[in-house]
Amino acid sequence: EAGVTQFPSHSVIEKGQTVTLRCDPISGHDNLYWYRRVMGKEIKFLLHFVKESKQDESGMPNNRFLAERTGGTYSTLKVQPAELEDSGVYFCASSQGSGTRWAGELFFGEGSRLTVL
Amino acid sequence: AQSVTQLDSQVPVFEEAPVELRCNYSSSVSVYLFWYVQYPNQGLQLLLKYLSGSTLVKGINGFEAEFNKSQTSFHLRKPSVHISDTAEYFCAVSLYFGNEKLTFGTGTRLTIIP
Repeated sequence: EAGVTQFPSHSVIEKGQTVTLRCDPISGHDNLYWYRRVMGKEIKFLLHFVKESKQDESGMPNNRFLAERTGGTYSTLKVQPAELEDSGVYFCASSQGSGTRWAGELFFGEGSRLTVL
Repeated sequence: AQSVTQLDSQVPVFEEAPVELRCNYSSSVSVYLFWYVQYPNQGLQLLLKYLSGSTLVKGINGFEAEFNKSQTSFHLRKPSVHISDTAEYFCAVSLYFGNEKLTFGTGTRLTIIP
């Protein structure tokens, strides 16, 4: 079974440009999360999808960030326009189960490293 | 708001020696606790979790952790480390049952010295 895959693994762009990160969760996982780690700091929650719906987007930094999850499958995270402080590693994670079936385990991708110059 | 503190950013340990990675959290409500590990060039992987029940939790690769509610701690231990344990370890908490909106610590980089 394929794990969570993210593309690209590394992106280098200039300030003001646009970048789109993609995440393919494990097949059948309804929950999809985006997290971000700025260098040397903690991994921070960005948002949570349940199928195609945004369940919680309280961690999104500002309106330059737009996340979508088409048909409840893969997800994209677009940064437009990118700023220097957006540099970091963006992790996608997925999980299955909720309520009494909650296993409490997130499956992470390897991350997309974004460098804004 | 809850927070997680990992006091040690880097821990060097000789091979076959024991190790303890410290994690403290602050929260006014009950929490669910996790340790994740990130091996070089890989994604994070669940090491162990405390959801309820016994406060001593055993995970993969010989690791264990003990939930101490009075000290608000969830320290990770292994009696004898191996070179393959070289990785970064993250402690995390969730306030909500059934939800993986996690608050992470800043991570501890464990280096095993041969």
